[in-house]
Amino acid sequence: KNQVEQSPQSLIILEGKNCTLQCNYTVSPFSNLRWYKQDTGRGPVSLTIMTFSENTKSNGRYTATLDADTKQSSLHITASQLSDSASYICVVVPISNFGNEKLTFGTGTRLTIIP
Amino acid sequence: KAGVTQTPRYLIKTRGQQVTLSCSPISGHRSVSWYQQTPGQGLQFLFEYFSETQRNKGNFPGRFSGRQFSNSRSEMNVSTLELGDSALYLCASSSEFEGYTFGSGTRLTVV
Repeated sequence: KNQVEQSPQSLIILEGKNCTLQCNYTVSPFSNLRWYKQDTGRGPVSLTIMTFSENTKSNGRYTATLDADTKQSSLHITASQLSDSASYICVVVPISNFGNEKLTFGTGTRLTIIP
Repeated sequence: KAGVTQTPRYLIKTRGQQVTLSCSPISGHRSVSWYQQTPGQGLQFLFEYFSETQRNKGNFPGRFSGRQFSNSRSEMNVSTLELGDSALYLCASSSEFEGYTFGSGTRLTVV
């Protein structure tokens, strides 16, 4: 069983609307949780990084939240734009000495924005 | 500051051949990790190198290997290619003070 589960698997919304993507994880303890945006055929680009003690982190129209008690994170996108069409990947970094950490990836949510 | 550079961007090989992919990390980053991404499996960790030493390895067969040079550039090699090796191969570099930065990947197609 994947230690990082994302939902929904795919999502289609109208341009200008808001949406929320979910990430549930079992990795514990963890150092930080990251959200990445990946355009088709490109490498993932970091959106937000939250340590286990942070509740929220914003990056423009992207806001990530973290509830360490329930082991859930969400990524909220406001006023969506066509360029937001991409896969969004939740990544959990376990605690370890630097250099021995292995990223644990979710399978991603494929978001499509339609005009 | 230049990002992570992966070459080539696209590659087509036939079954049984071998392939070498290259990754140049961000200047100053000594850690390089490699990942395989397929539609069905998502991102799968291959291995990580730090200061020319492999520190972590994922669950891939021995056909997948890598190395890191003294300038932190890294290569991965896949021998005896199979159709199932078709994927986007990503590398990421990191330092103790910065998060992971991914390259744009190499799209490998095995025919």
